[in-house]
Amino acid sequence: NAGVMQNPRHLVRRRGQEARLRCSPMKGHSHVYWYRQLPEEGLKFMVYLQKENIIDESGMPKERFSAEFPKEGPSILRIQQVVRGDSAAYFCASSHLDTANTEAFFGQGTRLTVV
Amino acid sequence: SQQGEEDPQALSIQEGENATMNCSYKTSINNLQWYRQNSGRGLVHLILIRSNEREKHSGRLRVTLDTSKKSSSLLITASRAADTASYFCATSPSGNTGKLIFGQGTTLQVKP
Repeated sequence: NAGVMQNPRHLVRRRGQEARLRCSPMKGHSHVYWYRQLPEEGLKFMVYLQKENIIDESGMPKERFSAEFPKEGPSILRIQQVVRGDSAAYFCASSHLDTANTEAFFGQGTRLTVV
Repeated sequence: SQQGEEDPQALSIQEGENATMNCSYKTSINNLQWYRQNSGRGLVHLILIRSNEREKHSGRLRVTLDTSKKSSSLLITASRAADTASYFCATSPSGNTGKLIFGQGTTLQVKP
């Protein structure tokens, strides 16, 4: 059973471009979460999705950021018109129940650098 | 505001010694989870303790939870150089089903 798969592992974008980060959850997991980590800091919650539904997006910036988890295919975190402050590691996690009831499994992350 | 705060921020010990890390949080919780992160890598889940539990063991790991003090501790016994990593506590707040709130982490260095 493969773990949570994220790609790409590293992504470089120029200011103003779009960044698309992909996450395939573990087999059998329908709950997906995205977190952002700045250097030397803990992870900050961004969004919680179940298939085709956004459950909690309280950690998402109001502009430029969006997330989806379609019926088929991976979850996508999309950042439009990237700025230098978006440079960070973005982690996806998945679970078979929500995290009030079970642990989350994390991917290796996508390290976004905005130049 | 930060839900989980780990203490100490950094810890350096010799191989074979025990390492204790503490976590404090602010609101009531469903559970508290500990994760390990090796430099530049993803997080590995270590242990989950529910709000109605007081202590859990997993191999060389021992976790305690004191909900009256809103605190938890992670003990690693007989540490190894391979235990060198950052350790994070994460809380699942009561009334919330998906969000985990992470602390800043404790960086542990185990010297061979």
